[in-house]
This record gives sequence, C-alpha cells and structure tokens, in this order.
Amino acid sequence: QVQLEQSGPEVKKPGASVKVSCKASGYTFTAYYLHWVRQAPGQGLEWLGRINPNSGGTYNAQGFFGRVLMTRDTSLTTAYLELSGLKSDDTAVYYCARDLNSDNSALEDWGQGTLVSVSS
Amino acid sequence: DIHMTQSPSSLSAFVGDRVTITCRASQTISHFLNWYQQKPGKAPRLLIYAATNLQSGVPSRFSGSGSGTDFSLTISGLQPEDFATYFCQQSYRVPVTFGPGTKVDVK
Repeated sequence: QVQLEQSGPEVKKPGASVKVSCKASGYTFTAYYLHWVRQAPGQGLEWLGRINPNSGGTYNAQGFFGRVLMTRDTSLTTAYLELSGLKSDDTAVYYCARDLNSDNSALEDWGQGTLVSVSS
Repeated sequence: DIHMTQSPSSLSAFVGDRVTITCRASQTISHFLNWYQQKPGKAPRLLIYAATNLQSGVPSRFSGSGSGTDFSLTISGLQPEDFATYFCQQSYRVPVTFGPGTKVDVK
C-alpha cells in the first residue's frame, strides 16, 4: 500500500531554515507529483507547491518570496521541503501528499504531517 | 489565483440528518473540484474527486455534484464518524487552492 512517511517535529528560531522529508513507498515514486500543504493551528489548508519527482521540476505558490525549495532524491524515493527565513507564522503542520493521477491533482495519499514550531 | 469559498462555515446536525455543504470557485473550474474530510490531529482524507467521483473506500452516503463554479457535497444520513471539517479544493489550475472549510458538529 502507498505510504508517505514524514520526518519528525522540528523547533526552530526565527530566521532559521527547516527541511522536512517525505519518504514514499508502495508505488512508482517518479510517476506521481508530490505536493506540500501546510496547516497553521486551527486554520485551513495552504498549498505550498508541487514537485515532479521524475524531472525534479517544481511549481511554488507565490507569496513565499523564494523561501520555499522542493527537491527529491529518486534513489531514496524521498521528497524534501526546505523553508528558509522562518517566521512565527510559519508555525504549522506540514504535509506531503500524492496526486491521484496525472489528470487530476486531487490529493489521494497524505503523510502523517510534520509539526514545525517557530519561536524565539 | 482561483479563490474558493464554502458555506456554511459551520453547521450542527443530528445523526441521521442529510447535510449539504456548498463550494464556489471565483472562475470556472470545469469538474476539477475535490472534497476532503479532516478530523482533529489527522491528515485530510480524499472523499470525492472530479466533482462527482467517490474515492475508493468512502461510504456511499457521501456524494458530490456540480460543475463550472458551483459545487456541493452531500452526506445522506450523517453518522457519528462524519463529524469533522470538510474542505473543497480546485485542481483546475496551479496554484491549487482550498476552501476555508466547513465544520460539522453534533447538534
């Protein structure tokens, strides 16, 4: 079965960077886009961007002013989200999620989430 | 960006009730509308994709309808496990965008 296993919680200071990993298994890693979505405490879902694990090409949501970097390692079937210049309002649970299929970015499978806390 | 709205923002219902949540897109998105259920402390779960298609394993009491800009999610016969927050999401164009959510709780 498809599994997306994310790295553990992080506590960071403002201005620091964080790198969250998403280890995929149970399917062909390069066949489906992976997305990153975050959810601040008590808030809704915010899409950060997606990566094509085959090509490494990315599409980032605007508004992050170059702070978001998505990468992948196909040999490890793992995707990474790096967020730099952390601010307190970056405190959120960060999820990776896999596309349903190539025709529709419905998010079929989700990681368990990684809590990133930003505090001085 | 395509802006998504949902109504109501919250509702209270009894077990057994029929519940409908609506979602509107700021521009036409054809049928590229998906619905998710989220329970506290858990990742969202895909319920409906492409407006009307029931995701595998999702009970048939969930159904979706609509196209263009106006969509709805209906739960026919609310069960105790259905009390949760529901989000719509458009996948017509990047950036993908979500609605603000509808919280369904016990009356």
